[in-house]
Amino acid sequence: GQQVMQIPQYQHVQEGEDFTTYCNSSTTLSNIQWYKQRPGGHPVFLIQLVKSGEVKKQKRLTFQFGEAKKNSSLHITATQTTDVGTYFCAGQQGGKLIFGQGTELSVKP
Amino acid sequence: DAMVIQNPRYQVTQFGKPVTLSCSQTLNHNVMYWYQQKSSQAPKLLFHYYDKDFNNEADTPDNFQSRRPNTSFCFLDIRSPGLGDAAMYLCATQDYKGTDTQYFGPGTRLTVL
Repeated sequence: GQQVMQIPQYQHVQEGEDFTTYCNSSTTLSNIQWYKQRPGGHPVFLIQLVKSGEVKKQKRLTFQFGEAKKNSSLHITATQTTDVGTYFCAGQQGGKLIFGQGTELSVKP
Repeated sequence: DAMVIQNPRYQVTQFGKPVTLSCSQTLNHNVMYWYQQKSSQAPKLLFHYYDKDFNNEADTPDNFQSRRPNTSFCFLDIRSPGLGDAAMYLCATQDYKGTDTQYFGPGTRLTVL
């Protein structure tokens, strides 16, 4: 079945540094979604990418979808302590989301 | 506000004692999902309903059952909880005719003693 791999598993940064998490699928994706889960919280939808090569921005967050629609990345510029949490990518397969393992981001003030 | 509500937020049960977790939604979405999430892991899909059609994941233990009496409510029944079933249980909804976005409830943290 489809697998979605996400790296790194953990990332510790100093406040103000940049952060990137990468997501790779074993198969072509119809779309990819990104979710953020704060410690003790639940996944919250951030964005969906559909088109090959698509790039979307939300303030300091930049999301990319690969040309082959098999990989994606999330880049945060100048991290803040409010960015702390686990970021999950998820690929759509037959009405189900296949989640990556998540990248846990910690930010040191 | 339209939302996904889960009750209770925290549930403590004893080994082998049946427990029911509840999810309700005001979004009128036709798809409802139940996920199990253990510490530092991704949510793991247990099953989902497309309207009244139940779809079980192949690796979901028989110990887990679900009911969806109407569009708004969905229940997760754990017939004989084991220590390994301690986890966060997340309910999510999706409008199948809309985007693929899933809207998650706050979750129920299950402790098994």
